[in-house]
Amino acid sequence: DGGITQSPKYLFRKEGQNVTLSCEQNLNHDAMYWYRQDPGQGLRLIYYSQIVNDFQKGDIAEGYSVSREKKESFPLTVTSAQKNPTAFYLCASSEQGGTEAFFGQGTRLTVV
Amino acid sequence: EDQVTQSPEALRLQEGESSSLNCSYTVSGLRGLFWYRQDPGKGPEFLFTLYSAGEEKEKERLKATLTKKESFLHITAPKPEDSATYLCAVQAGGGGNKLTFGTGTQLKVEL
Repeated sequence: DGGITQSPKYLFRKEGQNVTLSCEQNLNHDAMYWYRQDPGQGLRLIYYSQIVNDFQKGDIAEGYSVSREKKESFPLTVTSAQKNPTAFYLCASSEQGGTEAFFGQGTRLTVV
Repeated sequence: EDQVTQSPEALRLQEGESSSLNCSYTVSGLRGLFWYRQDPGKGPEFLFTLYSAGEEKEKERLKATLTKKESFLHITAPKPEDSATYLCAVQAGGGGNKLTFGTGTQLKVEL
């Protein structure tokens, strides 16, 4: 089955620790995205990548980092510099050219 | 700056009671408007893409329409399984593929 896989589903970390969220897609999509979702707020774009080895900051990139070494993979690292890391993180992918994005099932990160 | 406003924030319907959800937007050069459905604790599920004013798309009990300033998601004779949060997003020309989302309408359909 083609789709987007995010892992893990739930993640707990202590304050001050970096943590990496996994996102893999087998849809052969060029573009991949990371969004953050908080209660009462719309999805906010963290980073996006339109091609391997290239990525751009979204609206709330501070405290996050990404890499895009393979077309299928777009991991997100939440660093200790992110002041409010507890949130629901969503990865998505799309074809180039203005088409719809398809989402993974999300990772809920809780920092204690 | 692109903006998307959805209303109402929450909507409670009886089974079979039709209604509409609103998505107002401002964007510099609309490339596409997207509707998604999101169940609690899950990722958004794609429903529709609309590209130009006057366009309509249908899927089961859902129908999406688009004008130059807003989009409506009409729900006809809803069932409890239609309960979810419905998200609207816009994609601007020249902005790559990124989407700007509204905060969603939380729909609950009761028996």
